[in-house]
Order: sequence, then structure tokens, then C-alpha cells
Amino acid sequence: GAVVSQHPSWVICKSGTSVKIECRSLDFQATTMFWYRQFPKQSLMLMATSNEGSKATYEQGVEKDKFLINHASLTLSTLTVTSAHPEDSSFYICSAKFRDTDNSPLHFGNGTRLTVT
Amino acid sequence: DQQVKQNSPSLSVQEGRISILNCDYTNSMFDYFLWYKKYPAEGPTFLISISSIKDKNEDGRFTVFLNKSAKHLSLHIVPSQPGDSAVYFCAASRGTNKLIFGTGTLLAVQP
Repeated sequence: GAVVSQHPSWVICKSGTSVKIECRSLDFQATTMFWYRQFPKQSLMLMATSNEGSKATYEQGVEKDKFLINHASLTLSTLTVTSAHPEDSSFYICSAKFRDTDNSPLHFGNGTRLTVT
Repeated sequence: DQQVKQNSPSLSVQEGRISILNCDYTNSMFDYFLWYKKYPAEGPTFLISISSIKDKNEDGRFTVFLNKSAKHLSLHIVPSQPGDSAVYFCAASRGTNKLIFGTGTLLAVQP
């Protein structure tokens, strides 16, 4: 149980275009999902917390107008990288807790490798 | 400010021996700690966790030790297997808040 599916697994786009990444909890409902970003050989950095039915909470330094997050249902959150630039190239990973109310571990999707040319 | 640190970027161990991965944290308010394993181009996979009310948690070949006074935790893998080769991240949180990850340690288990 507690499977998180992320799509696409990799995407190449041209500079200036927008890319949407989907994150689904397959066998459980997640009122909260988390979006992380990982640069090569670096840690996973939390970008934002996605809350079902309300606005996402962004970490300091993350542009909310550039990284649009929508959590439209209890099983789906989307991250849209708008007007992508080469510096946005990175590995984006979503995650969710099986149970929101306690110290249960986060379950991660398999990530999306974004390359902006 | 890196609140969770893994000072060893890499570790090489012989198959069958013990692997010890270390993690230090600075925020004394953290009360839940986890270890994740990650292969390239994949998301992290949860391995084992420990609450701050404990100092040890064991699951098969994996044992996590927590030393709150030293703000230090470690993951022991014994015996190590080639399939354990991956990047290991420790992570910490306070309550049900967001996880803060360390920088990771690349473990290579030599056959």
C-alpha cells in the first residue's frame, strides 16, 4: 500500500514553455502532498506543501508564480513549471503521507527529470 | 542553514561487513527521524524511522540509533549486501511538520 505515482518520469522542454507534473496517491487519500527538488549530488529541498482545497505553502526562496501547485482532489496534486528556463532543469519529486495526522513516513513518487533546453 | 547534516558523502564497505551511516542535526525540537534509500532517477524509499522517545529501532538488517544529547543518529546495516548500494538520506521533522533531509551518503558495497 501507500503508493505514490508521478508522471511524467522525464520531460524535455524548450525554454519559455510550461511543464505540468502530476502526483497521485494510488491507494490512499492525501490531504497534504509535498514537492521536493533535488539538484545533482545534493539534498532534497522542500519546495512547497500542497494542501487539498486550499493554497499551497511555499518555502522561502521558491517563486509561487513560477511553480504553480494545484491540489484539486485528495489523490492528485500538480506542479506546473511556468516559463521554464535552463536553470529549472532538475529532478522534481512529490510525496505524501499515508496518514496525515501522525508521524507516518512520507512515501515518494519516482520523480520527474526535467531538462529545459 | 543545513539543519540535518551527513558529513560523509560516500562510504565503501565489503559485502558481509557492517555499514554505518551517520547523521547530525542541529534543531533540538526534532522528534522524528527517518532513513531513506535512493537509487538514481528514482524517488526515495522509506527504510526505517525512530521517535525521539526511543534510542534504538531495529528492522531486520537495519538498526537506527539515536543519541539525543549529541544530536546524532546512525543507521547500521549488517550484513551489508551489494544490493544495499545506493544513496542514503537521513531526515528529521518536528511533530507532523515537513521533513528536512540531509545531503545524503553514497554507500557502495563491494562484492
